[in-house]
Amino acid sequence: QVQLVESGGGVVQPGGSLRLSCAASGFTFSTYGMHWVRQVPGKGLEWVAFIRYEGRTTDYVDSMKGRVTISRDNSKNTLYLQMNSLRPEDTAVYYCAKDGGTYSLDYWGQGTLVTVS
Amino acid sequence: QTVVTQEPSLTVSPGETVTLTCASSTGTVTTGYYPNWFQQKPGQAPRALIYNTSNKRTWTPARFSGSLLGGKAALTLSGVQPEDEADYYCLLYLGGAQPWVFGGGTKLTVL
Repeated sequence: QVQLVESGGGVVQPGGSLRLSCAASGFTFSTYGMHWVRQVPGKGLEWVAFIRYEGRTTDYVDSMKGRVTISRDNSKNTLYLQMNSLRPEDTAVYYCAKDGGTYSLDYWGQGTLVTVS
Repeated sequence: QTVVTQEPSLTVSPGETVTLTCASSTGTVTTGYYPNWFQQKPGQAPRALIYNTSNKRTWTPARFSGSLLGGKAALTLSGVQPEDEADYYCLLYLGGAQPWVFGGGTKLTVL
């Protein structure tokens, strides 16, 4: 079965950096695009970033452009999100999600909490 | 920047039918926005329900259906069950530099 397990969250000071990871299993990782989505505690979902299966095409939410980089290592079945110049408003649970085709997201991880304080 | 709007909250009784909607500040939502719907219960990750307007995931209960209604994307729950109490989010594909945008979510209460 599809499993997505995020890691790398924690407490970081404003202006700091953090790299999140998402370990994927149960599907052919190298043939699917992947997304990051975040959720401020008690608030709604916000799409953050997307990377195509081959890793060469990426998209980002405007509020994080220039501060985040999505990447992947298909040999390790792992997705990453490098976050720099973090702000208190970036405090959120960060989820990775598998692209389901036809501009959809199907499977989600359980999320990792990032606290900027 | 495009804003996607959902009803903040709805209350329904068990067995009733309820429709949640998803509107775009750009205008009419069409199939070209490939609407997705997700369910999220407290303390859990979101779960995909509907994609490409009306297609169900293999795990989506039959009482959930997606459509376009009055220029918006819609999620209809027919015969609501107590376990359907949750937050529901729509997601629209807009293309361009920021391709995907979530709606603000609808908190569905089953009383």
